[in-house]
Amino acid sequence: ETGVTQSPTHLIKTRGQQVTLRCSSQSGHNTVSWYQQALGQGPQFIFQYYREEENGRGNFPPRFSGLQFPNYSSELNVNALELDDSALYLCASSLGGTGSETQYFGPGTRLLVL
Amino acid sequence: RKEVEQDPGPFNVPEGATVAFNCTYSNSASQSFFWYRQDCRKEPKLLMSVYSSGNEDGRFTAQLNRASQYISLLIRDSKLSDSATYLCAVRGYGQNFVFGPGTRLSVLP
Repeated sequence: ETGVTQSPTHLIKTRGQQVTLRCSSQSGHNTVSWYQQALGQGPQFIFQYYREEENGRGNFPPRFSGLQFPNYSSELNVNALELDDSALYLCASSLGGTGSETQYFGPGTRLLVL
Repeated sequence: RKEVEQDPGPFNVPEGATVAFNCTYSNSASQSFFWYRQDCRKEPKLLMSVYSSGNEDGRFTAQLNRASQYISLLIRDSKLSDSATYLCAVRGYGQNFVFGPGTRLSVLP
């Protein structure tokens, strides 16, 4: 196991609602990246947090926001949910600062928006 | 053109077969390369990093061709347990990971 945990494992929301997903990184890792994986596709990068600051963002609208805490755990918040937000949300932790660090994924949160 | 592309698949092969997957990337500044394995409804798990000199881990061999901008994964003596989706991931220095869409492999008895 990678030591990366996520909660909740599954979530059902309705369009327009807001959701918060949580991730605890592997011990010793200071970087958390969030990905959205739609069915049949590869993970798409949402953003990355390094030492509590956003350190890169993919092509996602501002209603996707995040936070990293001093213990390097992280949250992903999505406002005004849309049907297309239904996906597996993955967080990955790594030891940042080297530029080529390997990422280890958590089990994901499966979000369904109705 | 997508940043990272993979063989579309699916690949259906008999047990014991050798199978190869290819992945091409468009960013010539990419520096780090990885293969991940993802089982159905599970998270991706790191299979192996890919080094310039190529590397081998048991039945798995990964190669990198920087000039042609592709990486490959070779699986020898396929097992039923190798059935999964194989994702390649590419990263430039200080940049985020970009994943390909994955190639699904089914190893048949």
